Amino acid sequence: RKEVEQDPGPFNVPEGATVAFNCTYSNSASQSFFWYRQDCRKEPKLLMSVYSSGNEDGRFTAQLNRASQYISLLIRDSKLSDSATYLCVVNHSGNTPLVFGKGTRLSVIA
Amino acid sequence: EPEVTQTPSHQVTQMGQEVILRCVPISNHLYFYWYRQILGQKVEFLVSFYNNEISEKSEIFDDQFSVERPDGSNFTLKIRSTKLEDSAMYFCASRGNRGLGGGSPYEQYFGPGTRLTVT
Repeated sequence: RKEVEQDPGPFNVPEGATVAFNCTYSNSASQSFFWYRQDCRKEPKLLMSVYSSGNEDGRFTAQLNRASQYISLLIRDSKLSDSATYLCVVNHSGNTPLVFGKGTRLSVIA
Repeated sequence: EPEVTQTPSHQVTQMGQEVILRCVPISNHLYFYWYRQILGQKVEFLVSFYNNEISEKSEIFDDQFSVERPDGSNFTLKIRSTKLEDSAMYFCASRGNRGLGGGSPYEQYFGPGTRLTVT
């Protein structure tokens, strides 16, 4: 069973749409959760950490459900510049390495 | 904004040669990592480094790989006797005791990567 699973997409949405990505993780002892964004052939860039209470940063909202081992990312009012691959990332404990999902590709279309 | 830098951006080498990939982590960070990403695949962990020693390594990080922090700023990955399957993007990452925006202390920040092509 893969450690972090994501729907690879692609999700093709018009500008202004709301889009949601989901991710599941297999290790119930995981401690930290993140969404990173990766543009083609570039490095992963931290989008946001995901906290148990859920958190919002502008148009982006992340939720964590520990009981279901499920993480989500909601993007409201999509912009063309949001087109990228969104990586769900988990950390089993503070000093352990990040475990990446394969990513979900988003294309926002004018 | 502080950032991780890496050199070179692209390295082409012949099979069997040694390469050294260089990274300058964010200046007050204490934890350093190397990851790699083969084209079309997910990002994979190679090694973590803290307090001048390796703290964890993956199965990928075999005897052909080594890491070093030769001075107070650089963090290097050496690959001895490169193989065709070592062709990938190699990312360096670092973290401090607090996220850059005051966020989670476990946030890792990635450099732009070195594209290694072994021919």
